[in-house]
Amino acid sequence: DAGVIQSPRHEVTEMGQEVTLRCKPISGHNSLFWYRQTMMRGLELLIYFNNNVPIDDSGMPEDRFSAKMPNASFSTLKIQPSEPRDSAVYFCASSPASRSYEQYFGPGTRLTVT
Amino acid sequence: AQSVTQLDSHVSVSEGTPVLLRCNYSSSYSPSLFWYVQHPNKGLQLLLKYTSAATLVKGINGFEAEFKKSETSFHLTKPSAHMSDAAEYFCVVSARNFGNEKLTFGTGTRLTIIP
Repeated sequence: DAGVIQSPRHEVTEMGQEVTLRCKPISGHNSLFWYRQTMMRGLELLIYFNNNVPIDDSGMPEDRFSAKMPNASFSTLKIQPSEPRDSAVYFCASSPASRSYEQYFGPGTRLTVT
Repeated sequence: AQSVTQLDSHVSVSEGTPVLLRCNYSSSYSPSLFWYVQHPNKGLQLLLKYTSAATLVKGINGFEAEFKKSETSFHLTKPSAHMSDAAEYFCVVSARNFGNEKLTFGTGTRLTIIP
């Protein structure tokens, strides 16, 4: 299995631009998670999905952030408009139904907003 | 509410000596506890898990952790450090054994191995 796939691996954009991060979970996993990691705040859960349905988005910082999961094999995290404080590493993770704590992380997308 | 506190932000040990990474937890329910490891520029990987079975749990790469309810601790240990152990380690708590997908991560401990 290829594991969780994220794209792009690195993204540099200017303030005000729209940014879209993509994730392909492991086949057969029914839960998907988006995290953000910064030096100041550590690892934060932004949102998670079960069977493509958003379950908890309380970690989404504000309305500029949105996430979708149109099918079991694809999810996006969008930031519009982006701000410098959004600079971070964004991780996507997936887990199987019976072991939701056993999350498999992708390699992350390093986002820099200038 | 649930939380974990990793007592050391950075630990350095010599290769071949024991490793101890400390973690205390707080949970309103009987907790499930985990250690995840993150190697440089990589995603996190599950190292080991405690889910109310044996209090001493063994993980990958020779690591183990002991759940001590009286001390609310879940420290990670390894008898002999290897250079490849250099990484960031996260202690994680979940409120229930299964069905609660929301994990709470500690702030991490960076482990440095001295040759």
